[in-house]
Amino acid sequence: KNEVEQSPQNLTAQEGEFITINCSYSVGISALHWLQQHPGGGIVSLFMLSSGKKKHGRLIATINIQEKHSSLHITASHPRDSAVYICAVVEYGNKLVFGAGTILRVKS
Amino acid sequence: EAQVTQNPRYLITVTGKKLTVTCSQNMNHEYMSWYRQDPGLGLRQIYYSMNVEVTDKGDVPEGYKVSRKEKRNFPLILESPSPNQTSLYFCASSLSRTFEGAYEQYFGPGTRLTVT
Repeated sequence: KNEVEQSPQNLTAQEGEFITINCSYSVGISALHWLQQHPGGGIVSLFMLSSGKKKHGRLIATINIQEKHSSLHITASHPRDSAVYICAVVEYGNKLVFGAGTILRVKS
Repeated sequence: EAQVTQNPRYLITVTGKKLTVTCSQNMNHEYMSWYRQDPGLGLRQIYYSMNVEVTDKGDVPEGYKVSRKEKRNFPLILESPSPNQTSLYFCASSLSRTFEGAYEQYFGPGTRLTVT
């Protein structure tokens, strides 16, 4: 079993829909990252969380340390949000472990 | 502009021919690392460096070497590439010297390597 599980693996949405991507992990962590990888391959850091909730524009990330779960929400989705979204956890001992990613496609 | 650069972006080579992928950052970051990304396996760490002259193995170090002689540069060396090293490679850096992931990670644009 992978230490970091993301769901869904693939997601297709219509423009304007509210999107949720989930990340569950099985180990103790000190922080969690959400990353975005565009079709061209480049990876951008969206959020780094250790507790609670963060918001940036239409993106919201939450984390529940006790339940070992994080969610990434996209409000009013747009075709330019189409990308792979990757969850990565920072294990104690400072190791970064990545989920397999969620492929999001937003249709206009 | 704050950035991590990698070169080359694309490389096709043959088995056994030594190659180096360069990585450079202009943010004075102490921590740098190399990852490979393969379909279905996600990103896996190859090597990392906490500071100049300090490097350590990640999850998949076999077949790779690194060096950190200057703070800004962290080259990845494949002494004798093999087809199973065909992959997409990313260099990344962050501010922290102590906590690998507790600061924002900056990724390079990626290097797509094909070994025939």
